[in-house]
Amino acid sequence: EPEVTQTPSHQVTQMGQEVILRCVPISNHLYFYWYRQILGQKVEFLVSFYNNEISEKSEIFDDQFSVERPDGSNFTLKIRSTKLEDSAMYFCASSDRREGEAFFGQGTRLTVV
Amino acid sequence: AQSVSQHNHHVILSEAASLELGCNYSYGGTVNLFWYVQYPGQHLQLLLKYFSGDPLVKGIKGFEAEFIKSKFSFNLRKPSVQWSDTAEYFCAVNTLFSGGYNKLIFGAGTRLAVHP
Repeated sequence: EPEVTQTPSHQVTQMGQEVILRCVPISNHLYFYWYRQILGQKVEFLVSFYNNEISEKSEIFDDQFSVERPDGSNFTLKIRSTKLEDSAMYFCASSDRREGEAFFGQGTRLTVV
Repeated sequence: AQSVSQHNHHVILSEAASLELGCNYSYGGTVNLFWYVQYPGQHLQLLLKYFSGDPLVKGIKGFEAEFIKSKFSFNLRKPSVQWSDTAEYFCAVNTLFSGGYNKLIFGAGTRLAVHP
């Protein structure tokens, strides 16, 4: 069964450092998303991406965040200068249609120290 | 703003007990509704979804949910739970008005523990 894969599964970084979280969506999917879940809190939408551009982003997704699809398979989330409050589980998802089922990856646990 | 409320944060049941997890959303327009499950150490998986039609939706692993528009609810049910149902369950809403490309708004989740 096709699946969304995320790497790394766990990343520890120092405050102020840049991190890149990587995702490989399902191959024929066209819509890509990032969500995050701070420990003990809700899963929150960060950004959606379609046709090589951001289609929607939340208030959380400020200038410190960026997304990119550098090649035909990867979809990355970059946090330019991490803060302690960026510590969370980050989930990538993809779907084949705008209103299709979103398939989630296993998540990357980011710990900022 | 749209929001999703899940009433139970932790539920503990014995095997074969019946399950009902509450979910309410706040939005008056057209919605798509979802239940996701996250087993320990695994990714979010779709249990079932409601877009339109029959408000009683059947999903995988014997789960079902009923959309009651007048109550803004989409409760998840299973008549007889198994130990393997131990997981966290998330209700989510995708509002068409948002124009969002599958921008899901999640509830806080319900952690279910099933004892043998």
